Amino acid sequence: DTEVTQTPKHLVMGMTNKKSLKCEQHMGHRAMYWYKQKAKKPPELMFVYSYEKLSINESVPSRFSPECPNSSLLNLHLHALQPEDSALYLCASSQEGSGANVLTFGAGSRLTVL
Amino acid sequence: GIQVEQSPPDLILQEGANSTLRCNFSDSVNNLQWFHQNPWGQLINLFYIPSGTKQNGRLSATTVATERYSLLYISSSQTTDSGVYFCAALSSGSARQLTFGSGTQLTVLP
Repeated sequence: DTEVTQTPKHLVMGMTNKKSLKCEQHMGHRAMYWYKQKAKKPPELMFVYSYEKLSINESVPSRFSPECPNSSLLNLHLHALQPEDSALYLCASSQEGSGANVLTFGAGSRLTVL
Repeated sequence: GIQVEQSPPDLILQEGANSTLRCNFSDSVNNLQWFHQNPWGQLINLFYIPSGTKQNGRLSATTVATERYSLLYISSSQTTDSGVYFCAALSSGSARQLTFGSGTQLTVLP
């Protein structure tokens, strides 16, 4: 079992749908991350929240909207996605967001956009 | 930014064999981590090892920071070791986040 919980595990959505991915951790970590991973590629950083504030946005299209309601929760709101956005979305957390910390990943949410 | 290269890209082993995976990086680092991604996508942190040597059961890792490489050793491999192994590094003094290598796909045959 992972200490970072992601829901749902699988999501299929149309290009006009609005959906959300959720991530939760109870390790007291103050930094949370969203990564996107395409098949046979390494994870690509999308967003970093540090102490509930967005600290890094890696030029992600606005159809992806992150939200950090509190230090334990991280959401990724999805709207008007494209088929090429189909991927594995990974959430991670670390003690702080300085980059020199150990990342703990969730099991991922596998997204298919039709 | 820092470049992270892993080799070999693919590795097929018979169960019980030993293997060495390599990670080269282009700059001095203050963070280097090895991850295992299982076939279902779960990424597990194996080692945090910006320098020195660590061991955890059948796995061990060594980072020679002055020569800018890290090695992951897997001994007596098992089928459950199959998956992709990623190395990720962060330059010393960088305000950015970890850069992942392209991974080594390991297949252990029964």
